[in-house]
Amino acid sequence: AQSVTQLGSHVSVSEGALVLLRCNYSSSVPPYLFWYVQYPNQGLQLLLKYTSAATLVKGINGFEAEFKKSETSFHLTKPSAHMSDAAEYFCAVSPPSGNTPLVFGKGTRLSVIA
Amino acid sequence: DSGVTQTPKHLITATGQRVTLRCSPRSGDLSVYWYQQSLDQGLQFLIQYYNGEERAKGNILERFSAQQFPDLHSELNLSSLELGDSALYFCASNPVVGGPGELFFGEGSRLTVL
Repeated sequence: AQSVTQLGSHVSVSEGALVLLRCNYSSSVPPYLFWYVQYPNQGLQLLLKYTSAATLVKGINGFEAEFKKSETSFHLTKPSAHMSDAAEYFCAVSPPSGNTPLVFGKGTRLSVIA
Repeated sequence: DSGVTQTPKHLITATGQRVTLRCSPRSGDLSVYWYQQSLDQGLQFLIQYYNGEERAKGNILERFSAQQFPDLHSELNLSSLELGDSALYFCASNPVVGGPGELFFGEGSRLTVL
């Protein structure tokens, strides 16, 4: 079975500071990995995804994530936080084939302080 | 706008009652997924349909049922409601069975059971 663990249910950063949201995965096969963002009162939208191509994945809004197999990690980063980045972020995993739905982490709430 | 439509957006009902949540997937998407989001459990996968047939089942209670109709819209039926069923219910769709698992989410239906 696959799973993801997001370290830190709440992360707070200053505007302009580095954003680092941590995600570790567990999978018996090379997985596909995703980061989704949920703004208040909205559904989830895809930030970026890793599908076994380049290990450094660039997404929308200046976010990127690096797949590190040796560390079973897929941490999300952004060099400079903006107030509009305040949201809930979810890491998710799925196998690369078959029909297994995405398994989500519990989420990390990002607060950006002016 | 993800293209996935969910109704109603908000629903307040009493314990013991039954409700139906409706989802229209993106045009052309054959797979529909239902997720439950609560503060303590996070995002939990409930059930998936593909082109009218059940494909995968997650942590769905026996009091809950779902179906996908020939026009591909889906309904999630929740019966004998309990206080603990209060949550945000998301529908998501994607165009293919298997593949990279990217999902497109609706804005959710917030259920409050009093």
